[in-house]
Amino acid sequence: EPEVTQTPSHQVTQMGQEVILRCVPISNHLYFYWYRQILGQKVEFLVSFYNNEISEKSEIFDDQFSVERPDGSNFTLKIRSTKLEDSAMYFCSGRAEETQYFGPGTRLLVL
Amino acid sequence: AQSVSQHNHHVILSEAASLELGCNYSYGGTVNLFWYVQYPGQHLQLLLKYFSGDPLVKGIKGFEAEFIKSKFSFNLRKPSVQWSDTAEYFCAVNAHGSARQLTFGSGTQLTVLP
Repeated sequence: EPEVTQTPSHQVTQMGQEVILRCVPISNHLYFYWYRQILGQKVEFLVSFYNNEISEKSEIFDDQFSVERPDGSNFTLKIRSTKLEDSAMYFCSGRAEETQYFGPGTRLLVL
Repeated sequence: AQSVSQHNHHVILSEAASLELGCNYSYGGTVNLFWYVQYPGQHLQLLLKYFSGDPLVKGIKGFEAEFIKSKFSFNLRKPSVQWSDTAEYFCAVNAHGSARQLTFGSGTQLTVLP
């Protein structure tokens, strides 16, 4: 059964650096999402993406964040200048009909 | 805005005990309801979902959940838990007509003692 994959599994970066988190959704999914979970807190919605554009975003998703799907397979989340509070687990998901399927996540640590 | 509450933060049970995890949501319109499970070191996996129809839904691994519209609840149940059910359980909703992003509860950590 196909699965959503994410790379890297762990990323450590210095504050102010740019990071790119990558996701490969299941091929027949049309809607894609990024969520994050800060340690000890809820899983929070960041952004949804459909037809090569953002369809909805949360207040967390400010100008420091961007998403794209440049080659029709990889779905990336870029954080331009990381802050300490960006340390979290970042999950990608794809939606088929009404159900979302999640990747294993990338644990980002900003020092 | 929709919200989801899970009242039990940590539940500890012995094997063969029955399980019920509470989930209440707040939203004025029609929602889809989900339970996801996250085993240690693994990703979020769908346990079961409710869209419409029979309010009692069955999922994988013997789990079931009942949607009670009047109580805005979608509690998860299992008659007899196993040690392998030790995991974190998340209730989530999405609203019809939106980008269908999920709103999650805070999660319940279930520990099953052998």
